[in-house]
Amino acid sequence: KQEVTQIPAALSVPEGENLVLNCSFTDSAIYNLQWFRQDPGKGLTSLLLIQSSQREQTSGRLNASLDKSSGRSTLYIAASQPGDSATYLCAGNTGNQFYFGTGTSLTVIP
Amino acid sequence: NAGVTQTPKFQVLKTGQSMTLQCAQDMNHEYMSWYRQDPGMGLRLIHYSVGAGITDQGEVPNGYNVSRSTTEDFPLRLLSAAPSQTSVYFCASSRLARFYNEQFFGPGTRLTVL
Repeated sequence: KQEVTQIPAALSVPEGENLVLNCSFTDSAIYNLQWFRQDPGKGLTSLLLIQSSQREQTSGRLNASLDKSSGRSTLYIAASQPGDSATYLCAGNTGNQFYFGTGTSLTVIP
Repeated sequence: NAGVTQTPKFQVLKTGQSMTLQCAQDMNHEYMSWYRQDPGMGLRLIHYSVGAGITDQGEVPNGYNVSRSTTEDFPLRLLSAAPSQTSVYFCASSRLARFYNEQFFGPGTRLTVL
């Protein structure tokens, strides 16, 4: 079974700072790694999907990388804004099952 | 496109009652799934389906049933609700392609079992 871990569980940064969120997984035979954002009381919004053959994906101020050999993915957020405050979740799939980390709660302080 | 829709948004049940959580998608996705989200435990897969007529168990299937009669709909049935099933339930859908299957989530159903 794939185990997905996200550290730290919570992170607080001042506005404008660049930051990195970490995601680690135990099974390197991962097909895809997907990053989500979840606002309080809301559903999950897809941010980036990295396929197993890719090493990174970029969308605006977000950049996600995938290193299958080390079992790690990172989500880089540039020039953080208060609107980035949310919980960030990563999920990997092997076969037909997706496994989620417990998330990192990010607070960006104005 | 409405994407993934779920009903109801909120539900309160008494122990032993049954109910069905509805999920529909309009993206013609083959893969649909149900998760529950509990504090400190992340999202856990309950059941999933790779197409109409095909379902399979996920990590925490006990107490839940599913069926998939159409591509669009994937209802989740609670047979006899228990307080341990108090949770937020999310439905998701994606393409079935092995190497590109971005998941899209519904807004969730908050269920309380008394």
